[in-house]
Amino acid sequence: DAGITQSPRHKVTETGTPVTLRCHQTENHRYMYWYRQDPGHGLRLIHYSYGVKDTDKGEVSDGYSVSRSKTEDFLLTLESATSSQTSVYFCATLDSRGDTQYFGPGTRLTVL
Amino acid sequence: GEDVEQSLFLSVREGDSSVINCTYTDSSSTYLYWYKQEPGAGLQLLTYIFSNMDMKQDQRLTVLLNKKDKHLSLRIADTQTGDSAIYFCAETHHSGGYQKVTFGTGTKLQVIP
Repeated sequence: DAGITQSPRHKVTETGTPVTLRCHQTENHRYMYWYRQDPGHGLRLIHYSYGVKDTDKGEVSDGYSVSRSKTEDFLLTLESATSSQTSVYFCATLDSRGDTQYFGPGTRLTVL
Repeated sequence: GEDVEQSLFLSVREGDSSVINCTYTDSSSTYLYWYKQEPGAGLQLLTYIFSNMDMKQDQRLTVLLNKKDKHLSLRIADTQTGDSAIYFCAETHHSGGYQKVTFGTGTKLQVIP
């Protein structure tokens, strides 16, 4: 357990509004990830970070941006939410040995 | 690209053994994982196996890896109702400077009392 928290845990928003999800970790892990989980797709990587201010795109990054100003926080922003972004979002970190990811509890986002 | 496949559903009776299967395509996988997800919760790491091993046992869990066939299985002995959850297989390898993890779509295990 990497002491990962996500906020908010649930959010309902309207199409076109900006949304920011927060991931916070207490283990000082260098790598952090954002995934989305949808039925029939498993988990798909949106963006990841390999250090403060160092981020890169995953396989489904369109419509999302991220920021990492501190080691412990990784923010995911939907600039203009669309209904296709209704999903459950998971944050994860990579342990110091570099072989295991640990996941946060998830944020359920509904875009109406 | 990398692909991980699992069957979608498995139903077993309480006390029986469950076997959840997974196939993957990436021959450069370094670690293979099993995660458990209970309703409304995040993914919990159950166990993992390094790619140069063929078996790992941890209490009621046995992981078998057939690297030649790229087949991974998770056996749960004496399955309990608390084992009802979705089980994800995942493989990882280093790609472009980071650890890339590819997940299967998950197998929903239903345990019948």
